[in-house]
Amino acid sequence: GIQVEQSPPDLILQEGANSTLRCNFSDSVNNLQWFHQNPWGQLINLFYIPSGTKQNGRLSATTVATERYSLLYISSSQTTDSGVYFCAAFSGGYNKLIFGAGTRLAVHP
Amino acid sequence: NAGVTQTPKFQVLKTGQSMTLQCAQDMNHNSMYWYRQDPGMGLRLIYYSASEGTTDKGEVPNGYNVSRLNKREFSLRLESAAPSQTSVYFCASSGLAGGPGGTDTQYFGPGTRLTVL
Repeated sequence: GIQVEQSPPDLILQEGANSTLRCNFSDSVNNLQWFHQNPWGQLINLFYIPSGTKQNGRLSATTVATERYSLLYISSSQTTDSGVYFCAAFSGGYNKLIFGAGTRLAVHP
Repeated sequence: NAGVTQTPKFQVLKTGQSMTLQCAQDMNHNSMYWYRQDPGMGLRLIYYSASEGTTDKGEVPNGYNVSRLNKREFSLRLESAAPSQTSVYFCASSGLAGGPGGTDTQYFGPGTRLTVL
């Protein structure tokens, strides 16, 4: 089935720093989403982005479907950005939404 | 709107016991999902309902059953709980019909933390 790999697995930032999280997928996809799981376990959908670029405040995401990767950019990080960021990809050939293992982000004041 | 709600929040079972996890959404969504999340891992899809009246297996369906009671409610049942089912369970919904391949975002409930002794 489709493989979804995220990097880095862990990331520590000082407040105010910028970061880039990467998601690679092994097959063509028609649904790619980014989620944030806060330290209390709540999952929030950040972006639905099978291709192209989207921005929402300090966060933006870019998916290059032809090269099978997606990037999540966090600018001017804040302590509230801490948590785990997941990407998830759906491939019609497998009829599954597959989550990566996540990037655990800690933003220190 | 409450969004997606789940009950209970926590549950401890003994091996062999049964229980039902409840999920409801008030967003008039068509598709609903059940996931499990194990420590240090992403979510894995157990079952989904692409529209009212239909259910389909996901990635890890063994040991579980589901019921799409109506458009709002989607329950997950463990008939004979096993320690391997210790996990955090998330329910989710999305607006369009069609299940996980749908071209819209998924909204998650707060999760149920289940321990099977």
